[in-house]
Amino acid sequence: GQQLNQSPQSMFIQEGEDVSMNCTSSSIFNTWLWYKQDPGEGPVLLIALYKAGELTSNGRLTAQFGITRKDSFLNISASIPSDVGIYFCAGQNSGGSNYKLTFGKGTLLTVNP
Amino acid sequence: NAGVTQTPKFRVLKTGQSMTLLCAQDMNHEYMYWYRQDPGMGLRLIHYSVGEGTTAKGEVPDGYNVSRLKKQNFLLGLESAAPSQTSVYFCASMEGGETDTQYFGPGTRLTVL
Repeated sequence: GQQLNQSPQSMFIQEGEDVSMNCTSSSIFNTWLWYKQDPGEGPVLLIALYKAGELTSNGRLTAQFGITRKDSFLNISASIPSDVGIYFCAGQNSGGSNYKLTFGKGTLLTVNP
Repeated sequence: NAGVTQTPKFRVLKTGQSMTLLCAQDMNHEYMYWYRQDPGMGLRLIHYSVGEGTTAKGEVPDGYNVSRLKKQNFLLGLESAAPSQTSVYFCASMEGGETDTQYFGPGTRLTVL
């Protein structure tokens, strides 16, 4: 089956620093998604990317859909303490109309005030 | 509009016991999904449904059964719980469509002793 490699597994940064994480896949996806999960909560969608090469921003977050459709990255600028959490990438293909997601294993982000 | 809700929030079972997890959504979504989340593993798809009365296997279906008798509810059953099924279970739903995304519930933490 499809696999996503997400890196890094964890990051410890100081407040105000920029953060970058990425995902690579062994196969292509039609859609790339980035979710954030706070402790004790379900994942919440941050950014969705629908076209190869697409660069999308949401406040301090910027994500790109790789040209090969096999990778994506997420950048967080000027981190703040509330950015703490687990960030997941996910790839989606609508083939067969089931919209199943394949998730990366997550990046645990810790921000020191 | 409560979104996606899950009951119970926590449960402890003994090996061999059975239980049912309930997922409910009030958004009239067609698609519903059950995932399990284990440390360092990300979210893995157990079963999913593309509409009322339908179910299909995901990545890790063994030991679980599901039912979608009503459009708004998706039940996940464990007939004979095993310690390997100790996990956090998340339900998600979506309407469908190329630009739609999955909305997650808050999760159920299950421990099997």
